[in-house]
Amino acid sequence: RKEVEQDPGPFNVPEGATVAFNCTYSNSASQSFFWYRQDCRKEPKLLMSVYSSGNEDGRFTAQLNRASQYISLLIRDSKLSDSATYLCAFGDTNFGNEKLTFGTGTRLTIIP
Amino acid sequence: NAGVTQTPKFRVLKTGQSMTLLCAQDMNHEYMYWYRQDPGMGLRLIHYSVGEGTTAKGEVPDGYNVSRLKKQNFLLGLESAAPSQTSVYFCASSRDFYNEQFFGPGTRLTVL
Repeated sequence: RKEVEQDPGPFNVPEGATVAFNCTYSNSASQSFFWYRQDCRKEPKLLMSVYSSGNEDGRFTAQLNRASQYISLLIRDSKLSDSATYLCAFGDTNFGNEKLTFGTGTRLTIIP
Repeated sequence: NAGVTQTPKFRVLKTGQSMTLLCAQDMNHEYMYWYRQDPGMGLRLIHYSVGEGTTAKGEVPDGYNVSRLKKQNFLLGLESAAPSQTSVYFCASSRDFYNEQFFGPGTRLTVL
């Protein structure tokens, strides 16, 4: 099983719709969870961290399911500006080798 | 604040040539990272540093060397470039392992 699995998409979603992505991870020792956003030919930028109890930031909701080892991102009332690639990332400190492992990204296109 | 900067932004090398990519951050972050991003492969960690004078290998370190002589700078060296090193290289920094990573704008490297 890959360390991180993420549906590459593309997800083509009409403006105003709700869209959700999942990202699964294989390392049960993962301790930190993130969603990053990457626009075309740009650098990744943190969208939101994912906390155990779930968290919301405006139209964005992130959830963590430790039992099934996945995180999710829900975008409500999608805007054209939400078009981007969304990367999940998981952190672990395996024997002092601290690192984030990134997914390959899910491409989202919001259609007018 | 400039955040994380990278030089150069673009470079074309011939096989066997060497070069150094420079990353600088002005956020006083302890942790710095070098990633490469290839289509379908996601971000892969090359090397990282947890403080001035320290470096550690990431997922794909072969063919690269790094140095962190000053806290604000992290250099990535290619001693003998190969076409397989054609990629987009991102530098990132963070306060510590559990916090947001801030990325530079990337260096697009082509090795002919």
